[in-house]
Amino acid sequence: EDQVTQSPEALRLQEGESSSLNCSYTVSGLRGLFWYRQDPGKGPEFLFTLYSAGEEKEKERLKATLTKKESFLHITAPKPEDSATYLCAVPNAGNNRKLIWGLGTSLAVNP
Amino acid sequence: NAGVTQTPKFRVLKTGQSMTLLCAQDMNHEYMYWYRQDPGMGLRLIHYSVGEGTTAKGEVPDGYNVSRLKKQNFLLGLESAAPSQTSVYFCASSYGFSYEQYFGPGTRLTVT
Repeated sequence: EDQVTQSPEALRLQEGESSSLNCSYTVSGLRGLFWYRQDPGKGPEFLFTLYSAGEEKEKERLKATLTKKESFLHITAPKPEDSATYLCAVPNAGNNRKLIWGLGTSLAVNP
Repeated sequence: NAGVTQTPKFRVLKTGQSMTLLCAQDMNHEYMYWYRQDPGMGLRLIHYSVGEGTTAKGEVPDGYNVSRLKKQNFLLGLESAAPSQTSVYFCASSYGFSYEQYFGPGTRLTVT
């Protein structure tokens, strides 16, 4: 069964303390992996798309990487404004119209 | 460029009442989606559309209907609201399925 699992469920960091969030997936024939950020009371905001193992993308303090089984979202020297829930999703191998979503990692960055 | 907009932002319904949620996008996207998001359940796809005049069922379609009469609009209807439909509803759109989806701000619906 196609599945996306994110860990940890919650993470609390001090400002400047770098860390990584994990998104592991089981889907045959990966057609892309998406990372989103969601702030409380708002819709998910698109961050990155990764298509093949070894691919990396960066945006400010965030860097996303992809292997054949998982993706990491590395946060370097985070700031309080990076506090949000980070979601990942992959297209369902069976039904090409559906994304399989993880439950997210809730990140809190303390000043 | 407003992106994806949703109306209303909040709504309270009584059991059995009906309502329509409106989603509009100005990015000329072919695909549009309706999701619900509940604590501990993540985002679940209700219905989607791959183009004007088309609709299809997602994971949790029961109790909802949709229409896509114009390319830029996607309507979600609740014919007879139930407390189990209390949730936050998000609309999204994309160029195609393997492309990133852009989300609206959400509608918080409470059914009492």
